[in-house]
Amino acid sequence: TQLLEQSPQFLSIQEGENLTVYCNSSSVFSSLQWYRQEPGEGPVLLVTVVTGGEVKKLKRLTFQFGDARKDSSLHITAAQPGDTGLYLCAGVSRTGNQFYFGTGTSLTVIP
Amino acid sequence: GAVVSQHPSWVICKSGTSVKIECRSLDFQATTMFWYRQFPKQSLMLMATSNEGSKATYEQGVEKDKFLINHASLTLSTLTVTSAHPEDSSFYICSARTSGGGSNTGELFFGEGSRLTVL
Repeated sequence: TQLLEQSPQFLSIQEGENLTVYCNSSSVFSSLQWYRQEPGEGPVLLVTVVTGGEVKKLKRLTFQFGDARKDSSLHITAAQPGDTGLYLCAGVSRTGNQFYFGTGTSLTVIP
Repeated sequence: GAVVSQHPSWVICKSGTSVKIECRSLDFQATTMFWYRQFPKQSLMLMATSNEGSKATYEQGVEKDKFLINHASLTLSTLTVTSAHPEDSSFYICSARTSGGGSNTGELFFGEGSRLTVL
């Protein structure tokens, strides 16, 4: 059972466009992380958000943690082909002992 | 940064045989490691949480007798797929958590993954 639902599941856009990926849950998490994964490799951490309402920026990527710490969003500005990959959100349980991944968003940026 | 190494990266085996996958934290001690299974273009499904020196905690629906997990030291956890069948073919990924200031602030690092193909 996936505790975290991501939308959209698949996204194909042209280079230069903006996009937003959503990560929603009915559960409260102590923190939430976003990862990017390329085929045949393990996920790589992009960011960790801890405080409800927190916004973090990483170059063209903007991450937001919901006020209730149940949901999060990832916004990419002016997408580039190098942004192509599987984006995963992961909720960290209150005990910190469990990481549950979202359903994933497969992004393809067309040159 | 912290590094987690998984071995082997690729393994092909005959149906009915057992396969062991190793997960090592190379430059930090990991009291907790996680094992995930991933199908193509899908997310990671948590299989079990491996704690050093104790029994693993399996997620609902994961057969503990089929997926044996051993966490014998602070730097090594192993996943053994026993009597593997074609439906066990998948991408298996481990991760290890560093310890932060509190139990819930550690960072999670992933192995490179192991592609298992059962013929």
